[in-house]
Amino acid sequence: LAKTTQPISMDSYEGQEVNITCSHNNIATNDYITWYQQFPSQGPRFIIQGYKTKVTNEVASLFIPADRKSSTLSLPRVSLSDTAVYYCLLKAAGNKLTFGGGTRVLVKP
Amino acid sequence: EAQVTQNPRYLITVTGKKLTVTCSQNMNHEYMSWYRQDPGLGLRQIYYSMNVEVTDKGDVPEGYKVSRKEKRNFPLILESPSPNQTSLYFCASSEDTERNQPQHFGDGTRLSIL
Repeated sequence: LAKTTQPISMDSYEGQEVNITCSHNNIATNDYITWYQQFPSQGPRFIIQGYKTKVTNEVASLFIPADRKSSTLSLPRVSLSDTAVYYCLLKAAGNKLTFGGGTRVLVKP
Repeated sequence: EAQVTQNPRYLITVTGKKLTVTCSQNMNHEYMSWYRQDPGLGLRQIYYSMNVEVTDKGDVPEGYKVSRKEKRNFPLILESPSPNQTSLYFCASSEDTERNQPQHFGDGTRLSIL
């Protein structure tokens, strides 16, 4: 069963780039890496997904090394509204979906 | 508008009184799932359904039941609620899991069992 490990929290300032690394040493060949964002009292919201190398969309970038044992979510030029919990997600065996512990990002003025 | 709708959003009830939390999606998604979220524990999967009449246990299924009689609905049933089921519950759906499609989440249901 794939398991993910993320930092519990990170602080940043407006305009800076935030990088959150997720470790998943036992990732399976068919697993994709997916990141979600969650604001208080709301359901998680999909941010980005990738399999290998680099993926970029209008919100974030996702960097995945060749061994796929980790991944890094990069949020460019964060604003106060990016304060949230960010989850790294893998598809686990038997179609179970397991969220990591999440990283609480606090963006300061 | 594509959405996952949960009802009720808030509920306070007493131990042993059966309750049902409804979940409905309008995206014709095959896969639906229930999660609970507790402080310090993140989101944990309770049950999931790959399609109509197909359900399976997640990581914390004890004390819960589900059914999937129609594609759009996936109710969560607590036959005899207990205080340790006080939590924030989320329903989610996705097109399928074979291609790792993103999950769409509802806005949550906060249950308090006294």
